[in-house]
Amino acid sequence: DADVTQTPRNRITKTGKRIMLECSQTKGHDRMYWYRQDPGLGLQLIYYSFDVKDINKGEISDGYSVSRQAQAKFSLSLESAIPNQTALYFCATSDSTDASGYTFGSGTRLTVV
Amino acid sequence: AQSVTQLGSHVSVSEGALVLLRCNYSSSVPPYLFWYVQYPNQGLQLLLKYTSAATLVKGINGFEAEFKKSETSFHLTKPSAHMSDAAEYFCAVSDGGFKTIFGAGTRLFVKA
Repeated sequence: DADVTQTPRNRITKTGKRIMLECSQTKGHDRMYWYRQDPGLGLQLIYYSFDVKDINKGEISDGYSVSRQAQAKFSLSLESAIPNQTALYFCATSDSTDASGYTFGSGTRLTVV
Repeated sequence: AQSVTQLGSHVSVSEGALVLLRCNYSSSVPPYLFWYVQYPNQGLQLLLKYTSAATLVKGINGFEAEFKKSETSFHLTKPSAHMSDAAEYFCAVSDGGFKTIFGAGTRLFVKA
C-alpha cells in the first residue's frame, strides 16, 4: 500500500457542486498538507495541519475547507466548485521538522465543468 | 521569508549529455533544501535533500546537488542523461519549522 493515498484519482464535477477529496497516510506523521498544482505555477499551498487540533490556511484557501479527522486522515472540500478550481490536487505529509522532506500522494485530477 | 527560484521552465538535453537544473534560494536561517521529481500522472518523489551535513548530496537515479552558501544555490546535476530522466523537477526550501516553499518547476526533455 502507498504511504499516502488519495481518493478519487480523477473526478469530473459540475459548477456549484460540493466535492470532497480524501487523503490518508500510513507514515505516522503529524503534519499534513493540501497543494494545488497548475501548469507553470508549481505547487500552491491550500491548507496545512501540524496536528489534529491545528489547521491553518495556506496561500490560496478561499473556496476550500478542510477537516482533520485523525492523525492519518486529512480531507479537502470544495463547497461550491467553480471552473477555475480545475487542477491537480496533492496531499502530502512530513515529520515534525520537515527535515526528511515530504511524502506525496499520487494526486487527484479534478475537472469542474 | 524564504523563496526559491528555478532558472528555466524547460531544459532540453541529448541522451548521454550532462543534466544541469538550476535552483537559487533565499532564507533567513540555515535552510533545508530538497529536489523532487514528478513523472507524468504521478505525485512528487523526493530525489535528494540537504540538511546541513555534507554540501555535496547524492540522490537516487545518479543525481546529485551541491549546496553553495556563498551563491545561495542548490543546482541539480547528473553526468549522463537517460531517456527515463524526462520529468518535471522541483526545488524546495524549508526552515524546518513552518512550511516548505516549492519552486515553479523545470521540465526536463531528453532527446534520443
